[in-house]
Amino acid sequence: GDSVTQMEGPVTLSEEAFLTINCTYTATGYPSLFWYVQYPGEGLQLLLKATKADDKGSNKGFEATYRKETTSFHLEKGSVQVSDSAVYFCALRPPNTGNQFYFGTGTSLTVIP
Amino acid sequence: ETGVTQSPTHLIKTRGQQVTLRCSSQSGHNTVSWYQQALGQGPQFIFQYYREEENGRGNFPPRFSGLQFPNYSSELNVNALELDDSALYLCASSLGGPTVSGEQYFGPGTRLTVT
Repeated sequence: GDSVTQMEGPVTLSEEAFLTINCTYTATGYPSLFWYVQYPGEGLQLLLKATKADDKGSNKGFEATYRKETTSFHLEKGSVQVSDSAVYFCALRPPNTGNQFYFGTGTSLTVIP
Repeated sequence: ETGVTQSPTHLIKTRGQQVTLRCSSQSGHNTVSWYQQALGQGPQFIFQYYREEENGRGNFPPRFSGLQFPNYSSELNVNALELDDSALYLCASSLGGPTVSGEQYFGPGTRLTVT
């Protein structure tokens, strides 16, 4: 079945460091791929998405490229800030299923000054 | 435009009891999905409602049921609560349908504790 495997955390980085959070997926067909962020005490917020192979999603300095050949959607940011501290979830949505998402287990990021 | 709201924020129940969680969709959204997020885990899809009918269900037993009302608000009902039902329950709404993938907006969740 469809699933997402996400890099385990927690991850601790110094401010202005480079961030990579790995995400790979298993799916039939051509799913859409997403990164969501969850700040403490809040619900999930969409960070970025890509709906087809080779698409690059980007938002707030974060980027991820849909790589079908490696079934990956790694999240990157060139220079993290303290305010980026949160839990990040990779997710996929199979085609023609409305909003049935499959989420990874989440990666906790802490950025220290 | 109001976002997705959920009530209550926190809830404590005893094993064997029944619980109802509520969700108010973002204005104009006609599709609602419910997710269970256990501590330290990612959200797991429970089911999706469109036009007051269940349309898509994850790997959850029948004691998890739902309703969607004409105003697109929604309820999640869980019967015969078990300890493993302790989790954050998230509601998400979108505009579209069972095969149309509109952007999904999540509520802040209801934290259910079963003792």
